[in-house]
Amino acid sequence: GAGVSQSPSNKVTEKGKDVELRCDPISGHTALYWYRQSLGQGLEFLIYFQGNSAPDKSGLPSDRFSAERTGGSVSTLTIQRTQQEDSAVYLCASRSGTDYGYTFGSGTRLTVV
Amino acid sequence: AQTVTQSQPEMSVQEAETVTLSCTYDTSESNYYLFWYKQPPSRQMILVIRQEAYKQQNATENRFSVNFQKAAKSFSLKISDSQLGDTAMYFCALRLYNTDKLIFGTGTRLQVFP
Repeated sequence: GAGVSQSPSNKVTEKGKDVELRCDPISGHTALYWYRQSLGQGLEFLIYFQGNSAPDKSGLPSDRFSAERTGGSVSTLTIQRTQQEDSAVYLCASRSGTDYGYTFGSGTRLTVV
Repeated sequence: AQTVTQSQPEMSVQEAETVTLSCTYDTSESNYYLFWYKQPPSRQMILVIRQEAYKQQNATENRFSVNFQKAAKSFSLKISDSQLGDTAMYFCALRLYNTDKLIFGTGTRLQVFP
């Protein structure tokens, strides 16, 4: 596609439920990133995928968070047993292997009630 | 560890005027990239301008330019002829050559008044 697509745009969930957030990167982009933006904060790195290499999961805040990238394209970020502190905007970005610039999606606003 | 600091939580400027947003960073590495991103209410992070640390010449993109002071670890953004559409959050970010993570500052909210 022309840009990075994220769905859903907004998600309200009850505390304790699991949620899945989807990211569809730009076609041909080998690198994919997930960031979290809490209210009034900058962006916090969560996880990074590069081609077929093992993902860099060093930013995941707890084992309730996981992500996968199927076929080197679409990625899903899963949060299990959501907590209120998980409420944030989750942004996905992708990057071509030949450029150092990142293209971001419009994010998913997650609200845990 | 690398850090990025934006000391101005909010700024305002009148339309057609010039405004400068500050950013300082800390890293012991000598090779890195610096970025300014704009985040309007749509939430999408839009790349405004970028700079490679080895380039001494300041990057310029139309009305946007940077003042890159490597020794001082400063990377300020100047917006000339401000427009109402420039109203947004602006984030400064750092990426080291040998990693693939962007490290962001906490942002500056810019309001352009008519």
